[in-house]
Amino acid sequence: DTEVTQTPKHLVMGMTNKKSLKCEQHMGHRAMYWYKQKAKKPPELMFVYSYEKLSINESVPSRFSPECPNSSLLNLHLHALQPEDSALYLCASSQGGGQGGEKLFFGSGTQLSVL
Amino acid sequence: GEDVEQSLFLSVREGDSSVINCTYTDSSSTYLYWYKQEPGAGLQLLTYIFSNMDMKQDQRLTVLLHKKDKHLSLRIADTQTGDSAIYFCAQGGGGYNKLIFGAGTRLAVHP
Repeated sequence: DTEVTQTPKHLVMGMTNKKSLKCEQHMGHRAMYWYKQKAKKPPELMFVYSYEKLSINESVPSRFSPECPNSSLLNLHLHALQPEDSALYLCASSQGGGQGGEKLFFGSGTQLSVL
Repeated sequence: GEDVEQSLFLSVREGDSSVINCTYTDSSSTYLYWYKQEPGAGLQLLTYIFSNMDMKQDQRLTVLLHKKDKHLSLRIADTQTGDSAIYFCAQGGGGYNKLIFGAGTRLAVHP
């Protein structure tokens, strides 16, 4: 299994809703990432988990709350989002602890629309 | 600061070679990467090169690295319509794999 699986593929939510994005990998990778990609822009790093601990938070607003329940799963909890948060949210994983020089494998993303 | 630059658009005829160029700023990057993104999809790692290499070939793909100029290129031989996508150059700087992506080059392949 060489895939990173993200669900749902599409999500529409209102600004008062609470929703969660899910990511799963069974490659035994020990680092997992959330990236945000706006239309026609490159991906931008949001969070990195290394060995199930949060290693990097790129000054992301608190309305985005990551969670890593175990080494195979990564969630992104969403609450009180703004329309400008509409984007493609990409999950990625890498084999080591994310110490650098590793290849990232990306999922297909969740296309989020905030109304 | 860290920055990666790419031309935004490239159009080639089917069967020709495509060359996508990239410049980067972080000379300490251990690896440099090329990712492909098709419409509505995630990023697919195409190839990568270690910073102490000059060239890497993988089937139709050739990566050239001019470290002195901080210039990276991706050559796709015998370009096919299925190669139409956005190609992102990325540098891996510092710890925790903080990849810095370029803006992406949209490759259009026409008959």
